Amino acid sequence: GAGVSQSPSNKVTEKGKDVELRCDPISGHTALYWYRQRLGQGLEFLIYFQGNSAPDKSGLPSDRFSAERTGESVSTLTIQRTQQEDSAVYLCASSLGYSGNTIYFGEGSWLTVV
Amino acid sequence: AQSVTQLGSHVSVSEGALVLLRCNYSSSVPPYLFWYVQYPNQGLQLLLKYTTGATLVKGINGFEAEFKKSETSFHLTKPSAHMSDAAEYFCAVSLRMNYGGSQGNLIFGKGTKLSVKP
Repeated sequence: GAGVSQSPSNKVTEKGKDVELRCDPISGHTALYWYRQRLGQGLEFLIYFQGNSAPDKSGLPSDRFSAERTGESVSTLTIQRTQQEDSAVYLCASSLGYSGNTIYFGEGSWLTVV
Repeated sequence: AQSVTQLGSHVSVSEGALVLLRCNYSSSVPPYLFWYVQYPNQGLQLLLKYTTGATLVKGINGFEAEFKKSETSFHLTKPSAHMSDAAEYFCAVSLRMNYGGSQGNLIFGKGTKLSVKP
């Protein structure tokens, strides 16, 4: 597709369950980002992949959060043993990866933990 | 470490009035600067960015922003607000690297919600 695609667009899960969120970046984009946006708040950086380099995981809030990326394509963000405070929009973004490039965002995956 | 401050979490203007959304950054080296807009229940869309060259940058929907190094600012303006401008606006920075250097992540301000009154 032309843009960053995320799935599911909406997910309701029970506390304690694991969830997986998927991101398809724009074709050819070597950089991929995950951000979290809690209701009424700004964007919180989670993790950044750039080509074959080791990912920057400095934003992951706990060891319940992990992410993988297959080559320069799809990425999956996994949240284990979900908690109510994990409820947020999870935004994926991608770019060509060079300094100053525009970063394009998907429409997000809305996660609600009940 | 870089940081971004957006003054005013909520700004309200009348239709046709000037829009001014403030953004200041903190960085040892002037970073790349971005403004994104988020309409209700949608993802983020790039309005404009400053990387190099002319310090007054024009973006989509009639918005523009001026990079002022001496003030470490990148305020967003629009001469005449329209109802469709009601949205949340985010200022962001990324580290300025040498040519070809990898980008790193965007650091966002907390956002400013713009309301436009008829």
